Amino acid sequence: DSGVTQTPKHLITATGQRVTLRCSPRSGDLSVYWYQQSLDQGLQFLIQYYNGEERAKGNILERFSAQQFPDLHSELNLSSLELGDSALYFCASSVGQGVTGELFFGEGSRLTVL
Amino acid sequence: GQQVMQIPQYQHVQEGEDFTTYCNSSTTLSNIQWYKQRPGGHPVFLIQLVKSGEVKKQKRLTFQFGEAKKNSSLHITATQTTDVGTYFCTGGGNKLTFGTGTQLKVEL
Repeated sequence: DSGVTQTPKHLITATGQRVTLRCSPRSGDLSVYWYQQSLDQGLQFLIQYYNGEERAKGNILERFSAQQFPDLHSELNLSSLELGDSALYFCASSVGQGVTGELFFGEGSRLTVL
Repeated sequence: GQQVMQIPQYQHVQEGEDFTTYCNSSTTLSNIQWYKQRPGGHPVFLIQLVKSGEVKKQKRLTFQFGEAKKNSSLHITATQTTDVGTYFCTGGGNKLTFGTGTQLKVEL
């Protein structure tokens, strides 16, 4: 158990819909990262938050947005969903901003868009 | 931007054979981390290397960081079925860029 909690574990929805994925980082971790992993693909970085502030942004689509709340949990919002958005979305946390120290990954949220 | 490439992309071995995956960066890395993702699982941290030429061992796993700090390798001696999974590297203290991963399959 990494200490990172992601909900929901599985989500099936239709094209055009909007979903919200939630992540609670490990206790004490200030950074939250979101990654997308499509079938048999690598980990594509989406966005990072540190202590409530956006820290870095990857190739995140404009239809996607995220935020980190004062209690440090984070939400990833995916809107106007397309078939190609079907993937495993991982949240990870770390203590610092990312120079050193390991990442702790949640078990992921599997999104299926029909 | 920083590019981290891993080779091979896939590797099938017989149980008991050795396995090596390589991580190559286009730029000098301040450190490198290795993660393992079991099928259906999430990435789990294995190790971090920081010093040029550093070598670390974890039982049957040997990790090396190149002298120029641009490449790294993970070597598994006498693979077991429990080694099955995808091995990722991420480097430069930049957790934003993961390598493409090497998927290892071990056959009995």
